[in-house]
Formats: sequence, structure tokens, C-alpha cells
Amino acid sequence: EVQLVESGGGLVQPGRSMKLSCAASGFTFSNYGMAWVRQAPTKGLEWVATISYDGSSTYYRDSVKGRFTISRDNAKSTLYLQMNSLRSEDTATYYCTRLFWDWGQGVMVTVSS
Amino acid sequence: DIVMTQAPLSVSVTPGESASISCRSSKSLLHSNGITYVYWYLQKPGKSPQLLIYRMSNLASGVPDRFSGSGSETDFTLKISRVEAEDVGIYYCGQLLENPFTFGSGTKLEIK
Repeated sequence: EVQLVESGGGLVQPGRSMKLSCAASGFTFSNYGMAWVRQAPTKGLEWVATISYDGSSTYYRDSVKGRFTISRDNAKSTLYLQMNSLRSEDTATYYCTRLFWDWGQGVMVTVSS
Repeated sequence: DIVMTQAPLSVSVTPGESASISCRSSKSLLHSNGITYVYWYLQKPGKSPQLLIYRMSNLASGVPDRFSGSGSETDFTLKISRVEAEDVGIYYCGQLLENPFTFGSGTKLEIK
């Protein structure tokens, strides 16, 4: 059974940084591209970033380009999202997803002073 | 960016009846490989999204065959036959043809 477990969320002040992790199990992690999708409170789904199976290619939505970095450690079957210069509009539940097929339970990130 | 437009915003259905949700894309989602990259998800209350339909008409593993997807290059429909209480939640269509991947604003299904 595929399992994706996010961690690292919480309350952070504007302008600060936070790093999310997603521990994957139940499949060969190194064979799959991965992505982060977020959902602001009471809002819809918003794609954030994608990374290829080997980490060689990454893609970001414009609003996070230059601030967020998606990465992966295939030896640890773990996906990351480094978020810098956080803004209030980054407040959301962040989901780790195996190429939009399987989704984690989500982790809440609140950016507020 | 490809805009995904869903209708209606909400739908109320009697158990056992059918429901249809529409989704329109601002650009053709038909790839040159013949695959149409539209996906359907259900987000049950308090839960993460779950995949229902992939590549327009393919049922995801474990999803009841009461769910079906159809469409053309830009107009898509999710049909739920014999609606059950467990089908409540918000349904999203999404396009995975090109970056940035985008989703519709969602359709809330309620039970009468």
C-alpha cells in the first residue's frame, strides 16, 4: 500500500523559512516523479512544484519560483519542499503526491506574525 | 495557463439517483499521443483528495464503477450513477497536460 506522510508544518512568521518532508513507502520511490500541491483554507487545489524521478528536473508555479525548492533523497525515499521568504498567501495545507495519483494526508503551514 | 471551469458549483442528489459534473478546459487536453490528460478527484470532508478517473475515462483502482468519465478535447463530464451517502464531498477536475498543472474550482455534492 502506498503511503505518503508529510511533516514539518506549523506556524511561521512572514519572511521566515520552513522545510516540509514527505516520507514515502509502499512503492519504489526512485521510479516516480513527485509533486507538492497546496490548498488554502476553504479554497481549491493549487499545484506548487514537481520533481522528476531522479531529481534532474524541477518545475514551479510562478508565485513560488525563486522562493521554494523541491528536492528528493531517493536513498531515504523522502521528498522535500524548502520554503523561504514565506508570505501570508502561502498559508495552506500542503499535500505530497505521487504524480497526482496517491496523496498524503497533508500538513498545515500558517504564515502569520 | 490552462483554465479549468467546473459546473455546477454545487449539486444536491437523492440517494440512488445520478449526478453529472461538467468541466471545460481553455485549451485542448488531447496530447499528440492520443491521451487526453484530464483527471477527476474527490475530496471527502476533512480528507485529502483521492483519484477517481485518470486520462479522461479510466477508472482508478478501487473506485466503484458507479463513477465514469467522458468527454472531448475540451469538454468533460464526470457521471456518478446510483449516488450513495459516501459520495459526498468536493469533486475537482484537473489537467496534467502541461505546466502549470491546474484544477477546477470544485463542485460540492450533497445528499438530499
